[in-house]
Order: sequence, then C-alpha cells, then structure tokens
Amino acid sequence: QVQLVESGGGVVQPGRSLRLSCAASGFTFSTYGIYWVRQAPGKGLEWVAIIWYDGNNKYYADSVKGRFTISRDNSKNTLYLQMKRLRAEDTAVYYCARDTTEGVADYGMDVWGQGTTVTVSS
Amino acid sequence: QSALTQPASVSGSPGQSITISCTGTSSDVGGYNYVSWYQLHPGKAPKLMICEVSNRPSGVSNRFSGSKSGNTASLTISGLQAEDEADYYCSSYTSSSTLVFGGGTKLTVL
Repeated sequence: QVQLVESGGGVVQPGRSLRLSCAASGFTFSTYGIYWVRQAPGKGLEWVAIIWYDGNNKYYADSVKGRFTISRDNSKNTLYLQMKRLRAEDTAVYYCARDTTEGVADYGMDVWGQGTTVTVSS
Repeated sequence: QSALTQPASVSGSPGQSITISCTGTSSDVGGYNYVSWYQLHPGKAPKLMICEVSNRPSGVSNRFSGSKSGNTASLTISGLQAEDEADYYCSSYTSSSTLVFGGGTKLTVL
C-alpha cells in the first residue's frame, strides 16, 4: 500500500546535526512533491520544507532556512532532511507527507508518515 | 510567514453543523486556490479532508465541505458525529512559494 516511513529521530544536543529519512513505497515516488512538516509538543503544525518531484525546486520556512536542507534520491525512493545547528525550538515530531498531485505540486498533502521525534536538549 | 488565523475552539452537538474559519491575507488564502484542511486525532498522523479550497479526497465523508471568500477560507462539517472531535488545521500556499498553516481549532462534540 501507499506508505511513507520516517526514521532518524532522536535526542541531540543544541548546535549539533541530525539527518532524517523518509522511505516511500506503494507509489511512483519520483513523480510527487514531498514535504516535511513538524509539530512541537503542545503546538500546532508547522510547514518546514518542500521539494518538487524532480528535486529542482526546494523551499523552506524562515525558521529553518540556512540550517535545514531537503533532498531526495529518487533511485532509492527516499526523502531526506539534513538538520544543522539544531536549537531547542526544533524539538518536534517530524512528518514527511506527499503532495496530492503528480508533477507540479498543488500544495495539499494526502499521504503522511507516522512521524519521527526529534528532541534537542543538553 | 505569519500563521493563518483560526478560532482556538468550536463546539457543536451531534447532528448539528459547524464552520471553522481560516483567515489569511491576499498573499496566501486570498491569492491562491491552494487551501487545504487537515484533521488531527491525538497520536495519529494528520488526515487530509479538503484540498484546493473545496475538493474532497476520495474516502472523505461528504459531510465535510470547504469554501473561500476573499482572504477567509472555511471548513463546514454537517451532521456532526462523535468521531469528528479532533483538531483541525488549514494551510495555504503563499506568494513566497512557501506554505503556512493555521494555528489549529479544537472541535468538541458535545
């Protein structure tokens, strides 16, 4: 079935780095834009980044721009989020999610992973 | 990237209808038809309920409907049921080629 599975979360000290992965299955990964979205404890959803289906366009929230990098390997059906200079406020459950439409994104997210937890703490 | 404005909470009795608003600006909600709505139950991944303002994905009950007027989008749930009790978030594409979510609305079914 159509599925996204995140991994790579954990506890990390402030200022350190972490890389999240999102493995896709059950659909043609290379034809969909993919998002990272996070939810801090007790807070709402926050959009983090999007990468288009071909990897040629990437956009970031101001809160992570310059520190986080979204990338994808279509040969491995995997999405990544490289997070650097982590801060306490980056503590959250991180979800990857698929755009609803093949090709050009239409900015809805119809398939979500179960999330991976990142805790930034000394 | 200011969050879209949603009421913190709404409530209704079973069978009633409720509407959740999502207010942005002409640079997001008002400027594009890329408004989506998500349902969150505790401990579960978000579920897409409405995309592109008013399109309902396959499998979503027709009790859920979306609309937009100016800079405000709305989600209406008719025939409220106990299982509708959840948090609801709107999102919109923005003129900066980014996305923004609303602050979320807690729906209580009385």
